[in-house]
Amino acid sequence: GQNIDQPTEMTATEGAIVQINCTYQTSGFNGLFWYQQHAGEAPTFLSYNVLDGLEEKGRFSSFLSRSKGYSYLLLKELQMKDSASYLCAVIKAAGNKLTFGGGTRVLVKP
Amino acid sequence: DTAVSQTPKYLVTQMGNDKSIKCEQNLGHDTMYWYKQDSKKFLKIMFSYNNKELIINETVPNRFSPKSPDKAHLNLHINSLELGDSAVYFCASSQAPGAYEQYFGPGTRLTVT
Repeated sequence: GQNIDQPTEMTATEGAIVQINCTYQTSGFNGLFWYQQHAGEAPTFLSYNVLDGLEEKGRFSSFLSRSKGYSYLLLKELQMKDSASYLCAVIKAAGNKLTFGGGTRVLVKP
Repeated sequence: DTAVSQTPKYLVTQMGNDKSIKCEQNLGHDTMYWYKQDSKKFLKIMFSYNNKELIINETVPNRFSPKSPDKAHLNLHINSLELGDSAVYFCASSQAPGAYEQYFGPGTRLTVT
């Protein structure tokens, strides 16, 4: 099976930076996704990492360390609209199945 | 232009009834999925079809039966609904199976009373 752990909730101030960690245990790893989900809405794709290192996309960056089974999503210059759940998900090479963590709810305060 | 659409958005029904949820994507994708998100917000894969063929079939009760009439449509039929079936059901699609971005529909909130 796959164990994917991420904090349940985080609070940060508008304009600040927040780092959401995700650890996973899996065999046959084929990549890690981050999705954003606003309350009552569908998840939307943020990033995909399959190689070690940092991928930057505007205010959001995602990091992966395959040897440590660890990823983080970095949100910079936080805006109120960034208040949402952030879902870490791992895909294995075999089975084509995306397995999600429980999500981290981020609350941005003024 | 809606990429992945689902109907209905809300579904309230009584235990024991049979209901269907429909999903359509206009992205030209080959692969479609059904996910269940429970009250604790865990998003779990139920089924996946690639070009109308079932490729993922998780351990779900056989009261749930997916059907893909063509690669743009994936429907979910649920027989003999139970209280525990109450959840939000999301349809999604991707270009192909595997490590591809998935596009999610708006979800169907099913409430079984």
